[in-house]
Amino acid sequence: GNSVTQMEGPVTLSEEAFLTINCTYTATGYPSLFWYVQYPGEGLQLLLKATKADDKGSNKGFEATYRKETTSFHLEKGSVQVSDSAVYFCASYQYNNNDMRFGAGTRLTVKP
Amino acid sequence: GAVVSQHPSWVICKSGTSVKIECRSLDFQATTMFWYRQFPKQSLMLMATSNEGSKATYEQGVEKDKFLINHASLTLSTLTVTSAHPEDSSFYICSARDPRGRDNEQFFGPGTRLTVL
Repeated sequence: GNSVTQMEGPVTLSEEAFLTINCTYTATGYPSLFWYVQYPGEGLQLLLKATKADDKGSNKGFEATYRKETTSFHLEKGSVQVSDSAVYFCASYQYNNNDMRFGAGTRLTVKP
Repeated sequence: GAVVSQHPSWVICKSGTSVKIECRSLDFQATTMFWYRQFPKQSLMLMATSNEGSKATYEQGVEKDKFLINHASLTLSTLTVTSAHPEDSSFYICSARDPRGRDNEQFFGPGTRLTVL
């Protein structure tokens, strides 16, 4: 079946540090891949997405590349800010069976 | 992007009472909406898929008689937690699929925090 596995947290970084949150997926086909961000007390917001192999999603300095060969979609940011503190969820959507799966979430705390 | 709202944003109720949560797509018509539940520091758990004009499809282990879902229009789905108990306290999040989107992207509401005393 379809599933998403992401790096467990929590992750604590200093401001301007480099961020990587790993995400891998299993799927029977070729899913679309997403990263969502959840700020304290709020719902999920789409951060970025990629719909096919080698696509790179990017937004607000975050990037993730759809790697079919490694079935991965790792989230990266070159220089994090305190305002990036949130929980990040990796997700996959399989169109043919209308199946969306979320990873467990990774809590990021950025300290000044 | 498309906007999804939820109401109320938080609710506190007594054990045994029923609570209704609304999910609205504000600028698009959503034939499909989803209800998720999120426990503290955990991921989202899909509870059910709500289809306009038909019965909801519940995930395994979710009690359909306890979590009543109604999708009466293309912009509104409601989740009613019947005879709520403290273990139903959670963060409930809805999402709606924008059929105009090429990738069937889901847009999420801000969530409703339910506390049952």
